[in-house]
Amino acid sequence: GAGVSQSPSNKVTEKGKDVELRCDPISGHTALYWYRQRLGQGLEFLIYFQGNSAPDKSGLPSDRFSAERTGESVSTLTIQRTQQEDSAVYLCASSPRQAPGTEAFFGQGTRLTVV
Amino acid sequence: GQSLEQPSEVTAVEGAIVQINCTYQTSGFYGLSWYQQHDGGAPTFLSYNGLDGLEETGRFSSFLSRSDSYGYLLLQELQMKDSASYFCAVTPGGYNKLIFGAGTRLAVHP
Repeated sequence: GAGVSQSPSNKVTEKGKDVELRCDPISGHTALYWYRQRLGQGLEFLIYFQGNSAPDKSGLPSDRFSAERTGESVSTLTIQRTQQEDSAVYLCASSPRQAPGTEAFFGQGTRLTVV
Repeated sequence: GQSLEQPSEVTAVEGAIVQINCTYQTSGFYGLSWYQQHDGGAPTFLSYNGLDGLEETGRFSSFLSRSDSYGYLLLQELQMKDSASYFCAVTPGGYNKLIFGAGTRLAVHP
């Protein structure tokens, strides 16, 4: 595809259930980011993947959150035992190379609602 | 860690000029980026400053002072379509991840 693709676009889940969010980056992009954005708030950094290097997981808010990426392809963000405070838009972005200032291209996000 | 401060809201009229400031504290610093986000939309890249000074791209300019840990985004000839949230983001040392500020909501009125 031409851009970053995220699925599903919307997800409603019951408290305590696990959810898996998917991100397909732009082909050839080595860097991939996950962010969380609560309504009317800023982008909260979650995790950063760069090529085959160890990911930077410093933003993951708890051990209920995890993310995987296979090589330079698709990434999945998993939230276990969801809580109501997990309700937010989860944004994925990719960029073509590891260089400061390289433009990050964002997907449209997955809107997660925990009821 | 990193922290960024920017005003929460700015209001301006069409045709005017507005400046959105951003101050940051970070352990290690490569540069400052700016992103625009319309309601319900994805953030889109506007500019990046890796060196001190002014970068101009059409109606938008961005400035950085490393010694003051300060930057700003300048929007000229404001249009209604510029109503959006604007985020500054730092690239800290080490990994080239992006850390965003809380965003400034710009409302442009006729």
